[in-house]
Amino acid sequence: DGGITQSPKYLFRKEGQNVTLSCEQNLNHDAMYWYRQDPGQGLRLIYYSQIVNDFQKGDIAEGYSVSREKKESFPLTVTSAQKNPTAFYLCASSGPRRYSNQPQHFGDGTRLSIL
Amino acid sequence: GQNIDQPTEMTATEGAIVQINCTYQTSGFNGLFWYQQHAGEAPTFLSYNVLDGLEEKGRFSSFLSRSKGYSYLLLKELQMKDSASYLCAVTGGSQGNLIFGKGTKLSVKP
Repeated sequence: DGGITQSPKYLFRKEGQNVTLSCEQNLNHDAMYWYRQDPGQGLRLIYYSQIVNDFQKGDIAEGYSVSREKKESFPLTVTSAQKNPTAFYLCASSGPRRYSNQPQHFGDGTRLSIL
Repeated sequence: GQNIDQPTEMTATEGAIVQINCTYQTSGFNGLFWYQQHAGEAPTFLSYNVLDGLEEKGRFSSFLSRSKGYSYLLLKELQMKDSASYLCAVTGGSQGNLIFGKGTKLSVKP
């Protein structure tokens, strides 16, 4: 079955440490996204990518980095510069963004906590 | 700026009908999505509206009025499994990104 796989499900970060969250999709989608979800808040866009080797900052990109070397993969690194990383991170993908009716399909999320 | 408002919480009874409202302000509107999210799980797509009117899909319907910046999600014949958060999201803005509301947590009681 096609879908989006995020790993790990739970992740703990020590002070000063960078951690990388994995996101893989086999839906053959061009566009991929990373969101952060905090309690009582809507999903907020961190980074998005419309095509391989290209990505754009979202609303809250500071302290995060991404890469898009393969169509199927869009890993997110939470750097030590992100001072409040505890959150639920969701990866999504969709068909081409030029078609505005393309729903985003989400992975099951990674819950990141500070040790 | 862009803004989406939805009620924080709602409670309804099994078998009943519930309407979840969403109002929005955005530039460059390109459509409105509703998602369902069970606690600790991924959001799942429910509906998409870009034209005014009602879209019906089984027990769920979604309505849009572009002139009023208003949408609602209507859930009929409520079941216990419908207890979840319902997210309203609008595509728009200069980048055409999806902007999410904070979600409405629906609790269905027996």
